[in-house]
Amino acid sequence: QLQLQESGPGLVKPSETLSLTCTVSGDSITSHSYYWGWVRQPPGKGLEWLGSIYFTGSTHYNPSLQSPVSMSVDTSKNQLSLRLSSVTAADTAVYYCARLGLDSSGYYHYVFDFWGQGTLVTVSS
Amino acid sequence: QSVLTQPPSVSGAPGQRVTISCTGDRSNIGAGYDVNWYQQFPGTAPKLLIYGNNNRPSGVPARFSGSKSGASASLAISGLQTEDEADYYCQSYGSSGSVFGRGTKLTVL
Repeated sequence: QLQLQESGPGLVKPSETLSLTCTVSGDSITSHSYYWGWVRQPPGKGLEWLGSIYFTGSTHYNPSLQSPVSMSVDTSKNQLSLRLSSVTAADTAVYYCARLGLDSSGYYHYVFDFWGQGTLVTVSS
Repeated sequence: QSVLTQPPSVSGAPGQRVTISCTGDRSNIGAGYDVNWYQQFPGTAPKLLIYGNNNRPSGVPARFSGSKSGASASLAISGLQTEDEADYYCQSYGSSGSVFGRGTKLTVL
C-alpha cells in the first residue's frame, strides 16, 4: 500500500532555509509512470502547488513563489526533498508531498492521486 | 496565486443535489487540460475525488460526478449526505504548471 510521509523541522526562523523530506513506501520513486511533488496550505487557506520532480531529477517549479525553491530525489532511499530559501512568515503552512499521475492526454503529470498526511511548518523567530 | 475561480461556499440539505463551479481561462482549462477535484476534511490531507474531468477513482461513490465545458468545470454531488461536508478544490494545468482553485466549503444543512 502506497504511503508518503513528510518529515522535517516544525519551526524555522525567518530568512533561513526550510528543508523537508518525503519518504515513499509501497512504490518506487523510479517508476516511469509518475512524477512526485509538493503542495502547501497556509492555515485556513487553499492549496498551492510548489513544484514537481521526476526520478531523473527533472523539475518544474511554481514561478509565482516568493521564496526560491529547489527539489531533489534520493533514489537509494526512495525519498524526495524540498528546500525553500529565505523564508518569511508567509511560508508558514502545512506541507504535503504527493504522487502525480498522468492526465488523459498521456503527456502531463498533474493528477495528485496520493498524498502524504502533511507536516506543519511555522516560520517564526 | 489561484487562477481557478470557485464559489467560497455552497450548501444543501441531505438528499439534495449541489454543484460547485470552477472557472479558468484559455491558458488552463480552456486550453484543453483536464480538471481534477479533491475533497478535504478538516485536519486531513486532500483526497482525489474526480480526475480527467469526469472519472472517479476506485472507492469514490457514483453520486460524485464531474463535467467540463470550455474553460469551466463543475462537480456535482447528488443524494447529499452529512459526511459530504468538506472543502472541495478544483485543479488543472496551465502555462506555469499546476493550478488550484481557492476551494469551496460545502455545508450540509
